[in-house]
Amino acid sequence: QKEVEQDPGPLSVPEGAIVSLNCTYSNSAFQYFMWYRQYSRKGPELLMYTYSSGNKEDGRFTAQVDKSSKYISLFIRDSQPSDSATYLCAITTNTGNQFYFGTGTSLTVIP
Amino acid sequence: SAVISQKPSRDICQRGTSLTIQCQVDSQVTMMFWYRQQPGQSLTLIATANQGSEATYESGFVIDKFPISRPNLTFSTLTVSNMSPEDSSIYLCSAVGGGNEQFFGPGTRLTVL
Repeated sequence: QKEVEQDPGPLSVPEGAIVSLNCTYSNSAFQYFMWYRQYSRKGPELLMYTYSSGNKEDGRFTAQVDKSSKYISLFIRDSQPSDSATYLCAITTNTGNQFYFGTGTSLTVIP
Repeated sequence: SAVISQKPSRDICQRGTSLTIQCQVDSQVTMMFWYRQQPGQSLTLIATANQGSEATYESGFVIDKFPISRPNLTFSTLTVSNMSPEDSSIYLCSAVGGGNEQFFGPGTRLTVL
């Protein structure tokens, strides 16, 4: 079993839609959860970073962690064509010396 | 946050040659990593660059092929040795901040002919 599983997509939505991206993980020891956005031919950009359970909001983006279900989500409100990218989830433990990445979800927002 | 730069941003190399990629972080960090990413694929960890000691390599990656240096807390290099077309990929450097968040460089796009 992989440490983290991510819905592979691809996902195609109309502009203005609410997007939900999801990952599940296997080990309750993971405490830190990240979402990255990666445009084509670019390095991953840290989008959201959360510790333990709960929600974190930043503009149109909300990261949600449910440790009881080992489930993490990224919501994008009022999606824009500029949100078209691949989104990667990542998890790590308190020591931060080993990270596990999802396989990425490709998102296309259609104008 | 940490800002990471990589040089070169891209290169086209001949089979059998070597390329050294440089990674510079704008602040001191404890953990630095090197990844490889094939087009349309997720990240594959090559090694952890340890300051003052030998890098820790993941299964399938060896020091003779991917020697890594980390002379201080802000800089690391990855060399891709004796290259073949199968080494064509994007190579990414990353660093871990104080809150265990990981930041990535812009990547080096390598093409081996």
